[in-house]
Amino acid sequence: AQKITQTQPGMFVQEKEAVTLDCTYDTSDPSYGLFWYKQPSSGEMIFLIYQGSYDQQNATEGRYSLNFQKARKSANLVISASQLGDSAMYFCAMRDDGSGNTGKLIFGQGTTLQVKP
Amino acid sequence: EPEVTQTPSHQVTQMGQEVILRCVPISNHLYFYWYRQILGQKVEFLVSFYNNEISEKSEIFDDQFSVERPDGSNFTLKIRSTKLEDSAMYFCASSEARRSSYEQYFGPGTRLTVT
Repeated sequence: AQKITQTQPGMFVQEKEAVTLDCTYDTSDPSYGLFWYKQPSSGEMIFLIYQGSYDQQNATEGRYSLNFQKARKSANLVISASQLGDSAMYFCAMRDDGSGNTGKLIFGQGTTLQVKP
Repeated sequence: EPEVTQTPSHQVTQMGQEVILRCVPISNHLYFYWYRQILGQKVEFLVSFYNNEISEKSEIFDDQFSVERPDGSNFTLKIRSTKLEDSAMYFCASSEARRSSYEQYFGPGTRLTVT
């Protein structure tokens, strides 16, 4: 069965510093995708970054990068040069690509990030 | 940029009443989803919909819930007789394909409050 685990309920980071948000996953499907979403206090889900299970390189999108360690089944999000606007809840999610799968996303519990000035 | 829209943004209803949450997915998308997020908790999958039928539903999606795509553009979630525990944010999402390399676009959500 698919499972996503985020073990950090809350994190603090100083403005302009980097922060790593942890995510581990479990799946029996060899083909899958990993996602990170940001949810600010306004409630919407904002897509940040995607990593495919067969991608050779770690995904990067601006200040966001995904530290993908396939053997350890981890997909940690790294935010560089934190800004006050990065304060939000962050969700890691997974989607299996197997033939019987419908494309649903499975989410972790989320990590609340607070950026301190 | 195309976007998923949801109406209403906030719905207050009394226990036992029926509610219909509406979504307009992105026009060329074929896969549609509803998710639920109880306040402060994780986002949970409810149902996926493809080719005018449910392709998968979670344990949460019991007989009180139904979905339909009545006119080729709207995608609705109906809760027949709301309970207090149905209070949550409901997100609609759509995707061009089901493979993970295709982004799943989320709507802004409908906050449902059952009193």
